[in-house]
Amino acid sequence: SAVISQKPSRDICQRGTSLTIQCQVDSQVTMMFWYRQQPGQSLTLIATANQGSEATYESGFVIDKFPISRPNLTFSTLTVSNMSPEDSSIYLCSVGGVEGAGRRNEKLFFGSGTQLSVL
Amino acid sequence: TQLLEQSPQFLSIQEGENLTVYCNSSSVFSSLQWYRQEPGEGPVLLVTVVTGGEVKKLKRLTFQFGDARKDSSLHITAAQTGDTGLYLCAGRSTGFQKLVFGTGTRLLVSP
Repeated sequence: SAVISQKPSRDICQRGTSLTIQCQVDSQVTMMFWYRQQPGQSLTLIATANQGSEATYESGFVIDKFPISRPNLTFSTLTVSNMSPEDSSIYLCSVGGVEGAGRRNEKLFFGSGTQLSVL
Repeated sequence: TQLLEQSPQFLSIQEGENLTVYCNSSSVFSSLQWYRQEPGEGPVLLVTVVTGGEVKKLKRLTFQFGDARKDSSLHITAAQTGDTGLYLCAGRSTGFQKLVFGTGTRLLVSP
């Protein structure tokens, strides 16, 4: 299992500012994932953070808006830039782990999320 | 684009009732997972099913993977207030690395 610490747990920000969310894992992991969960909605993958290379972004998400750092195998940051009210969401950090044999049994461990409100 | 549609979206029941949540797709998945998320927390894995027709039981929760591996269901017997939360199915396709999450079912169990 993996223990993930995410901070801040919540923040209220002004339009046009930026917020950096930190994610610390208690073990070394190859890939870390950043998800967005809009109010009352499911999870949407923003990007995969790879150590030593640029993050891989999903369709609809760009590096200028959501820059990601991955300086080592236990830490990553996600920045939400030039925020607008539409960015109000829960942002979740996640890492993969295997609960049994085989790739299909990979599971995700999640941090407790960052609740962001943009005024 | 792979989509996982869950139904119902919302469910409000009394303690002791039974319920079933469905997760449907037109795509085939090599495995399917169910997560539960409580307010202020990240999702937590409940189960993984990998074989078509597979049934897994976790105390009062029964999970089934469809024969064609396109759909799944979660049945809760005698629901308790502690079952309240957001239930998410998530599928992994053959050849893809990442999980696709379903649309979610929000369950409220009242005493």
